[in-house]
Amino acid sequence: QQQVKQSPQSLIVQKGGISIINCAYENTAFDYFPWYQQFPGKGPALLIAIRPDVSEKKEGRFTISFNKSAKQFSLHIMDSQPGDSATYFCAASGGGADGLTFGKGTHLIIQP
Amino acid sequence: EPEVTQTPSHQVTQMGQEVILRCVPISNHLYFYWYRQILGQKVEFLVSFYNNEISEKSEIFDDQFSVERPDGSNFTLKIRSTKLEDSAMYFCASTIKVNTEAFFGQGTRLTVV
Repeated sequence: QQQVKQSPQSLIVQKGGISIINCAYENTAFDYFPWYQQFPGKGPALLIAIRPDVSEKKEGRFTISFNKSAKQFSLHIMDSQPGDSATYFCAASGGGADGLTFGKGTHLIIQP
Repeated sequence: EPEVTQTPSHQVTQMGQEVILRCVPISNHLYFYWYRQILGQKVEFLVSFYNNEISEKSEIFDDQFSVERPDGSNFTLKIRSTKLEDSAMYFCASTIKVNTEAFFGQGTRLTVV
């Protein structure tokens, strides 16, 4: 099972609020879970990534929470800003799979 | 900051024609990838390349696709006979090793008419 399921498909958050995006996977061989940010017409850019040996990782306003038993991970954007408006993709790789398996993406809009 | 560069940024081609998309990965990276993103959809893995050979490929990467590292810096994706459904953004990426940070290029928008 190579799928990574991402929700919600779109999200509107007020400036200063918390944006939360969720992902779930089935392949227990996955051992690397990055989040990418993509602006229109640009390539995906790595935001933050986590491995299964930790349950949480924080970098600035971005936090990944990881639940290995539930096979779920989520991205939290604290103090969301209009400049955070973009499409966010979760992804996973591992277990001999070189390439990343991406979720379908979340279109995030931060309203001023 | 090192970056992955792709050329051209936009390519328009007629159905049935061959196209070559070019990428220059980050110089000290060893693993190279091609991904595809159809407009408004998710990014899909096509192929990975290591030590001058294909390491892994997806179901999308059929016989019409091929990859090559013709010299020490370039990494190319060739589509032999383009179809309308090949229209997409094609991204090149590179990593130092497997399952680590992947750096993506800005993409080539391929339009098949």
